[in-house]
Amino acid sequence: SQTIHQWPATLVQPVGSPLSLECTVEGTSNPNLYWYRQAAGRGLQLLFYSVGIGQISSEVPQNLSASRPQDRQFILSSKKLLLSDSGFYLCAWSAGSLNEKLFFGSGTQLSVL
Amino acid sequence: DQQVKQNSPSLSVQEGRISILNCDYTNSMFDYFLWYKKYPAEGPTFLISISSIKDKNEDGRFTVFLNKSAKHLSLHIVPSQPGDSAVYFCAAALNTGNQFYFGTGTSLTVIP
Repeated sequence: SQTIHQWPATLVQPVGSPLSLECTVEGTSNPNLYWYRQAAGRGLQLLFYSVGIGQISSEVPQNLSASRPQDRQFILSSKKLLLSDSGFYLCAWSAGSLNEKLFFGSGTQLSVL
Repeated sequence: DQQVKQNSPSLSVQEGRISILNCDYTNSMFDYFLWYKKYPAEGPTFLISISSIKDKNEDGRFTVFLNKSAKHLSLHIVPSQPGDSAVYFCAAALNTGNQFYFGTGTSLTVIP
């Protein structure tokens, strides 16, 4: 069966520090991969999605970037965190075909102080 | 620009009664719709989905209705149980299967 791993679960970082969140998927090949953010009191905002290695689409301009160095690995990064980057970050995957579900990881609570 | 909207941030329902959660969307290209349930500090979990070729899909206590002409969908939970208390997100996907857009969520509280 397929599983998705996301870490760390909680992260407290100072403003201006770098960020690296990692997500891996097991049990499937060539998944679509996604990064979402849930800011306090807000919905789930799509940040990035990827349909293959090295293929990244960005939905919103921001201080963050994403990379997909391997088929089942998706990384969210920042060179210098801002206070506004605080939020709950979720990695997700789907099979990429029509009418397929999206499966989420357990999330990372990022606090930028 | 919010393409999927849930206009009710919260809803309270008595145990055993019906919970109705609503969702509106603006993009007529959306082809597939989903509902997710989320507890605090956890990832959302899939509840039920519906394709645009249908107007109703039922799974146990959960039923999703789709009105394409109104660009509106709703989730009915009958009967509501205290364990249903969570934040519910509706989502819409384009027919490419690559992008999923979520609403802002509705926090459901089922009162025992």
